[in-house]
Amino acid sequence: DTGVSQNPRHKITKRGQNVTFRCDPISEHNRLYWYRQTLGQGPEFLTYFQNEAQLEKSRLLSDRFSAERPKGSFSTLEIQRTEQGDSAMYLCASSSRLAGDGELFFGEGSRLTVL
Amino acid sequence: GDSVTQMEGPVTLSEEAFLTINCTYTATGYPSLFWYVQYPGEGLQLLLKATKADDKGSNKGFEATYRKETTSFHLEKGSVQVSDSAVYFCALSKAAGANNLFFGTGTRLTVIP
Repeated sequence: DTGVSQNPRHKITKRGQNVTFRCDPISEHNRLYWYRQTLGQGPEFLTYFQNEAQLEKSRLLSDRFSAERPKGSFSTLEIQRTEQGDSAMYLCASSSRLAGDGELFFGEGSRLTVL
Repeated sequence: GDSVTQMEGPVTLSEEAFLTINCTYTATGYPSLFWYVQYPGEGLQLLLKATKADDKGSNKGFEATYRKETTSFHLEKGSVQVSDSAVYFCALSKAAGANNLFFGTGTRLTVIP
């Protein structure tokens, strides 16, 4: 399977702990996105990378959130000092510069539960 | 700001019934419009798109027409199948080359035999 891969699929943590999610995009895709989806809502944009450069960040991405894509391949999303409001599904997507606008390929997501 | 308002679900239809899922948008400029679908246990995937007024996107028997005068992009299918059971999301990107999508809240469709 050469789709977008996300790990772990589910993380349960206590409030105040740090968590990290990993995303492996489709190998030839140079664009990578993180979205967050809460229950009953659509995905909300968090941040965007082109290769290793983080080019756009949403206001939703507070100081406790940091995303990296060190070699322009996989990406990590770290949440420090988690809060119950961080409980959500974190979605990663990738796309090719050759693809049309909005043609994103999504992973299955990493579900975070903060107790 | 830019937003998408989507018909609330869930929607339950019998096989071969006609489907309409309403979507309206608010945006400045000339957004591109999309329908994404999420089948059970899978990630979101692009179903169809339209990039300018009066364009019709189509795929797998689904269609949607970009209506600027009514700011709508309603999803239709003439005869649904059980395999169409999924959650459908309407989305927009506010300009060509924009890197983020604005999604609606999703509509769950269940098709019963």
